[in-house]
Amino acid sequence: SQTIHQWPATLVQPVGSPLSLECTVEGTSNPNLYWYRQAAGRGLQLLFYSVGIGQISSEVPQNLSASRPQDRQFILSSKKLLLSDSGFYLCAWSPGGYNEQFFGPGTRLTVL
Amino acid sequence: AQSVTQLGSHVSVSEGALVLLRCNYSSSVPPYLFWYVQYPNQGLQLLLKYTTGATLVKGINGFEAEFKKSETSFHLTKPSAHMSDAAEYFCAVSPSGSARQLTFGSGTQLTVLP
Repeated sequence: SQTIHQWPATLVQPVGSPLSLECTVEGTSNPNLYWYRQAAGRGLQLLFYSVGIGQISSEVPQNLSASRPQDRQFILSSKKLLLSDSGFYLCAWSPGGYNEQFFGPGTRLTVL
Repeated sequence: AQSVTQLGSHVSVSEGALVLLRCNYSSSVPPYLFWYVQYPNQGLQLLLKYTTGATLVKGINGFEAEFKKSETSFHLTKPSAHMSDAAEYFCAVSPSGSARQLTFGSGTQLTVLP
């Protein structure tokens, strides 16, 4: 069966510091991968998605970036965090482009 | 473009009562519809989905939803609420199943009262 991992589970970072969140998927190959942000009291905002290694599409302009160095690895990064980057970050995968998405456990990021 | 509206950001029911969470969608092409549940500080878990065929869809934990094209609705129901059902529920739509175009509603927080 397929599983999706995210780490770290929680993170507290000062404003201006860098960020690296990692997501990996097991038990499948060539998944579509997604990064979402869920701010307090708000819905899910799609940040990035990827259909293959090195292929990243950005949905919203921001100071975040994403990379996919391996087939089942998806990384969310920032060079300098802002207070507004605080939130719950969710990684998801889908088996190709036409199916439901399956979500990881999430990372709670607090920027102080 | 597609959109999802979840009526009621907070819903409270008594334990054992009917759960009804409302979802209306708009889509220019045949929609695929989903309900997800999120427990505190966890990811989203798929409850059920409608793709094609039977309009009454049964999911996990005793939940079901009915696709009504004429009403553009996909309401989630459960006959008898349990305390463990307390969570946030998200309705989502994708045009003809395109996963990258999955659009979520703003969520409904369900509280179950003893």
